[in-house]
Amino acid sequence: DAKTTQPTSMDCAEGRAANLPCNHSTISGNEYVYWYRQIHSQGPQYIIHGLKNNETNEMASLIITEDRKSSTLILPHATLRDTAVYYCIPTNSGGSNYKLTFGKGTLLTVNP
Amino acid sequence: KAGVTQTPRYLIKTRGQQVTLSCSPISGHRSVSWYQQTPGQGLQFLFEYFSETQRNKGNFPGRFSGRQFSNSRSEMNVSTLELGDSALYLCASSRGQVGYEQYFGPGTRLTVT
Repeated sequence: DAKTTQPTSMDCAEGRAANLPCNHSTISGNEYVYWYRQIHSQGPQYIIHGLKNNETNEMASLIITEDRKSSTLILPHATLRDTAVYYCIPTNSGGSNYKLTFGKGTLLTVNP
Repeated sequence: KAGVTQTPRYLIKTRGQQVTLSCSPISGHRSVSWYQQTPGQGLQFLFEYFSETQRNKGNFPGRFSGRQFSNSRSEMNVSTLELGDSALYLCASSRGQVGYEQYFGPGTRLTVT
């Protein structure tokens, strides 16, 4: 599995966009980039994933650089309920290696 | 659609005992994964089952085992409990194929005294 580097913590003002970076320079060609978040004392929640192209869903947008060595998760209008630890997880998500390897993630604190 | 359910939600056991945790996946999901979360080690992968077969296993001692039934429900067992087994045990279900996301349950909080 590719190693990831994420900031330990970030702050964001409520209503503003939160941009969470992730470096995954050792990602292999068949690895997707998944983003999950964990709100305190709850199970992790899937946010979004992508392989090469940028992706958007109702929760967030995912921007993957052309060389695939880094990505950015964008929460367009952060709310207090978005305060959580965000995990960037490259995984090939298939076959005998199907698992998620969680790092330490980024604690995003959304302030009023 | 009902989410992933885990039972029990909280459990207190004594060192040396064994424990069985249960997970019911989302309907239609054939893959169930188990994770352990502790303050010191974070979220760690235990094992994953797909159609009753263990496809992958994390780096945990043999005291940790699991199984999956034909209806995709899964159980994990920890024998000879140690204090260090105190953790939040999370179950996740998925369609189990490339490109599909995992959905996590609320977890079982195990305390070993």
